[in-house]
Amino acid sequence: DQQVKQNSPSLSVQEGRISILNCDYTNSMFDYFLWYKKYPAEGPTFLISISSIKDKNEDGRFTVFLNKSAKHLSLHIVPSQPGDSAVYFCAATSTSGTYKYIFGTGTRLKVLA
Amino acid sequence: NAGVTQTPKFRVLKTGQSMTLLCAQDMNHEYMYWYRQDPGMGLRLIHYSVGEGTTAKGEVPDGYNVSRLKKQNFLLGLESAAPSQTSVYFCASRSPGGQTQYFGPGTRLLVL
Repeated sequence: DQQVKQNSPSLSVQEGRISILNCDYTNSMFDYFLWYKKYPAEGPTFLISISSIKDKNEDGRFTVFLNKSAKHLSLHIVPSQPGDSAVYFCAATSTSGTYKYIFGTGTRLKVLA
Repeated sequence: NAGVTQTPKFRVLKTGQSMTLLCAQDMNHEYMYWYRQDPGMGLRLIHYSVGEGTTAKGEVPDGYNVSRLKKQNFLLGLESAAPSQTSVYFCASRSPGGQTQYFGPGTRLLVL
């Protein structure tokens, strides 16, 4: 039972254009969502997060949108840069009653120069 | 600050051998986690700890044991390694007041 899904294993985008990475979840108890970026042979690093009380959070070139009714979140990167090429994981958790995080399977983003 | 460190970086084991992976953090975090990452599977939680002396099972705990004798260290043990345990193992930690996990660089384990 995959509670967090990233249905696109890979995505290629031209440098300077927008990258949109998607994530769907099934558990309505999740109320906090995070995006992590992972380069080869390194551990994941935190990128941006959003609480369920918001529908948008922005940090520089990165924006996360949350649609609670659709149980869907997306990460927008504008403009995309070659250094953004990495695997992106979304993760979800419930801030009450659990300490666990459920991760999606990741989307490999390739930004073409 | 070193953050989260993992030892060793890479290891090859034969089926049936045992080993311990060490995770250390210097951020005084209460919560620590062990994940494994396999192709197409994302990160799956093996065990976690919410404080010194406590441990709990995650999604895929079978074949692993853990110990948290000191707050800064979280050990993951494989008593009898199997080829299915070939994976990349990541440790993470976070503080109770925050939701962000900080990950170590990973340990690549190959079981022959």
